[in-house]
Amino acid sequence: KNQVEQSPQSLIILEGKNCTLQCNYTVSPFSNLRWYKQDTGRGPVSLTIMTFSENTKSNGRYTATLDADTKQSSLHITASQLSDSASYICVVSLRRFGAGTRLTVKP
Amino acid sequence: GAVVSQHPSRVICKSGTSVKIECRSLDFQATTMFWYRQFPKQSLMLMATSNEGSKATYEQGVEKDKFLINHASLTLSTLTVTSAHPEDSSFYICSAQPWRNYNEQFFGPGTRLTVL
Repeated sequence: KNQVEQSPQSLIILEGKNCTLQCNYTVSPFSNLRWYKQDTGRGPVSLTIMTFSENTKSNGRYTATLDADTKQSSLHITASQLSDSASYICVVSLRRFGAGTRLTVKP
Repeated sequence: GAVVSQHPSRVICKSGTSVKIECRSLDFQATTMFWYRQFPKQSLMLMATSNEGSKATYEQGVEKDKFLINHASLTLSTLTVTSAHPEDSSFYICSAQPWRNYNEQFFGPGTRLTVL
């Protein structure tokens, strides 16, 4: 069954701390995996995209990893800022969306 | 960068009326556009895929006669919610896939629909 599961469902961290969000998938066929950031009431904005042959991709303080063998991906956020508070969505092969992780960064 | 706009950003209508939402790719041509619905605290749910010049492909459980999609040009797709009911109240988001770049997908800012 084509599924994308994200964990944790929600996360609260203090400003300046690091965090890692997880995405496990069973989607087939696999073409790419994207991480999006979605602010409340806004459309998602792409953070990273990885294809089958890529196992890491960085975008500023965001670093995504992909293990195509175990079908797992993670998004690591370094030195979090208050503006990082948002939902982070993992999308596999453009069609399959995870439920997202709601991140709250507190001062 | 690629920009996708949606209009209106927010709409309130009475039950039984129809509402049209526009999705435009402002600086690129999009052969494929997607329409999603998102309920509070839930992820996006794909409603339909529209290709320019052809009929939209609807996901299972989405009524094509209720959610009319038109993709008349390479930069514009419209979603019309016909005979809207309060349960249709949701956040509707479109995305556009650039011509010849099938790994890219740019999202619009969304449209908040409230049906009274």
